[in-house]
Amino acid sequence: EAQVTQNPRYLITVTGKKLTVTCSQNMNHEYMSWYRQDPGLGLRQIYYSMNVEVTDKGDVPEGYKVSRKEKRNFPLILESPSPNQTSLYFCASSFGGLADNTGELFFGEGSRLTVL
Amino acid sequence: AQKITQTQPGMFVQEKEAVTLDCTYDTSDPSYGLFWYKQPSSGEMIFLIYQGSYDQQNATEGRYSLNFQKARKSANLVISASQLGDSAMYFCAMRESADQLIWGAGTKLIIKP
Repeated sequence: EAQVTQNPRYLITVTGKKLTVTCSQNMNHEYMSWYRQDPGLGLRQIYYSMNVEVTDKGDVPEGYKVSRKEKRNFPLILESPSPNQTSLYFCASSFGGLADNTGELFFGEGSRLTVL
Repeated sequence: AQKITQTQPGMFVQEKEAVTLDCTYDTSDPSYGLFWYKQPSSGEMIFLIYQGSYDQQNATEGRYSLNFQKARKSANLVISASQLGDSAMYFCAMRESADQLIWGAGTKLIIKP
């Protein structure tokens, strides 16, 4: 089944404790992206990647890191989480960049993170 | 300035009625794309429909259609014959640059039986 898989789905952590949210897709997509969703703000892009070893900042990259060592994986790293990073996080992927086709993004199920 | 505006935070609609969800956008780029996504209470994001700025006809996908009025910069989603399962958050988004989507704040739609 074609899918984007995120883990963990739910996580409660404390300020300053490094964490990684994994994202994996099995559709051979080149483009992958991370979003955070907060009430009243819609989705905001954190980082995106056009291909292996290519990553770029989105609108809200502060406090996050990413890597793209393999095509299928795009982990999101919070080196020192803070309470303002409490949010719902989505990983998404598509075949090419958004301009290459309809740009339909395939989303993971979301990871709800709480930082105390 | 808001690039994507969804003016209806919430809507109640009677089952089987048609629904129009508003979306206005702001861009100076002649080439752009507009998307609608549905987010049920379970949280996943479901792609509904896409409209390119150069598309001559309004996009349709089953019960979903996009009322694209370029001069007004609006891209309203129309759901015909609403069903209880249509209750969800609906997001409008715009692809302006090649690799970024800009999202509206969403509209919560509740279908009443």
